[in-house]
Amino acid sequence: GAGVSQSPSNKVTEKGKDVELRCDPISGHTALYWYRQRLGQGLEFLIYFQGNSAPDKSGLPSDRFSAERTGESVSTLTIQRTQQEDSAVYLCASSRDNSGANVLTFGAGSRLTVL
Amino acid sequence: QKEVEQNSGPLSVPEGAIASLNCTYSDRGSQSFFWYRQYSGKSPELIMSIYSNGDKEDGRFTAQLNKASQYVSLLIRDSQPSDSATYLCAVRVYDYKLSFGAGTTVTVRA
Repeated sequence: GAGVSQSPSNKVTEKGKDVELRCDPISGHTALYWYRQRLGQGLEFLIYFQGNSAPDKSGLPSDRFSAERTGESVSTLTIQRTQQEDSAVYLCASSRDNSGANVLTFGAGSRLTVL
Repeated sequence: QKEVEQNSGPLSVPEGAIASLNCTYSDRGSQSFFWYRQYSGKSPELIMSIYSNGDKEDGRFTAQLNKASQYVSLLIRDSQPSDSATYLCAVRVYDYKLSFGAGTTVTVRA
């Protein structure tokens, strides 16, 4: 597609429920990233995909968080047993590859609110 | 020590003035540096990238890089109300990973 698409744009859930957030990167972009942005704060790296592999999962906060990517395209970030501290905007970004000068293009984000 | 640190805001400047934003980073081996602008409720968008020491100008924006001092700055000349946003400094700390600062919020007063 022309840009990075994320869905849902807004999600309100109850504590303890599971949520899935979807990212559709720019067509042909092999690198895909998930970041988390809490209210009034900067971007916190979660995970990086090169193709369908995730060489760096170091930013995932706990084992309740997981992500996968299929077809070198769509990625899903899953949060199990959500907690109130999971409330944030989850941003997905993609880039053509992982070269040093390559820039990231961000999606509009998925705003998650855990009640 | 945080990988990327930005001067605390918010920064309020009058219309037409210069806004100066600063950023320091901890990894001396970093080679790629970026400034993103984020309007309230929107996603970050790239406005500048810089890879070599010195200045890089693009319209009203100038990025400055000093690798010896591990310092990156962004100057916004002739600030306009439309420049009111949060500016995020990003540093590529591995081949693939961008590390972001917490951002500096700029308000341009008409």
